[in-house]
Amino acid sequence: EDQVTQSPEALRLQEGESSSLNCSYTVSGLRGLFWYRQDPGKGPEFLFTLYSAGEEKEKERLKATLTKKESFLHITAPKPEDSATYLCAVQNGGYQKVTFGTGTKLQVIP
Amino acid sequence: ETGVTQTPRHLVMGMTNKKSLKCEQHLGHNAMYWYKQSAKKPLELMFVYSLEERVENNSVPSRFSPECPNSSHLFLHLHTLQPEDSALYLCASSQAEGHEQFFGPGTRLTVL
Repeated sequence: EDQVTQSPEALRLQEGESSSLNCSYTVSGLRGLFWYRQDPGKGPEFLFTLYSAGEEKEKERLKATLTKKESFLHITAPKPEDSATYLCAVQNGGYQKVTFGTGTKLQVIP
Repeated sequence: ETGVTQTPRHLVMGMTNKKSLKCEQHLGHNAMYWYKQSAKKPLELMFVYSLEERVENNSVPSRFSPECPNSSHLFLHLHTLQPEDSALYLCASSQAEGHEQFFGPGTRLTVL
């Protein structure tokens, strides 16, 4: 059975204090690993897709990396508007084989 | 309208009521999904439609009934729900298998 574990559950950072979120996964045949951002009361917003170990993608202050067992979401010099819950998901096989983690709730304090 | 829209945004219903959730995607995607999101739990995939054909998900109680009349619209019919069904119900769409999903804002459902 596919598994996704995200850590930490919650993270509190000072504005400008860089850090990383972790997504560890177990999947037979990874087709893609996805990062989403979810603000309170809203649906998840797509950030990145990673397909193979060694791949990296960047968007503004965020950088996602992938190894064979885990993915990191690096946040450089975060701002208060980066506060949200960050979700990781893996896809294995067909449409129904998508497994989400429980997320990391990030709070950036001014 | 752009992206994925859902109505209603909030719904309160009794255990004996029948209601429906509606989702519409304006992205030209081929697949649509229903998810349940409960506090402290990961998103739970309920149903998937690919090119208007349903992919079975046997773990979902029969009190939830999906309908996909065309590739842009998705419904979730609800009847005889239980209080534990209270959650945020999210609709999503994707271009194809293995692609990123785009989510709607969700319907916050409360079952009394």
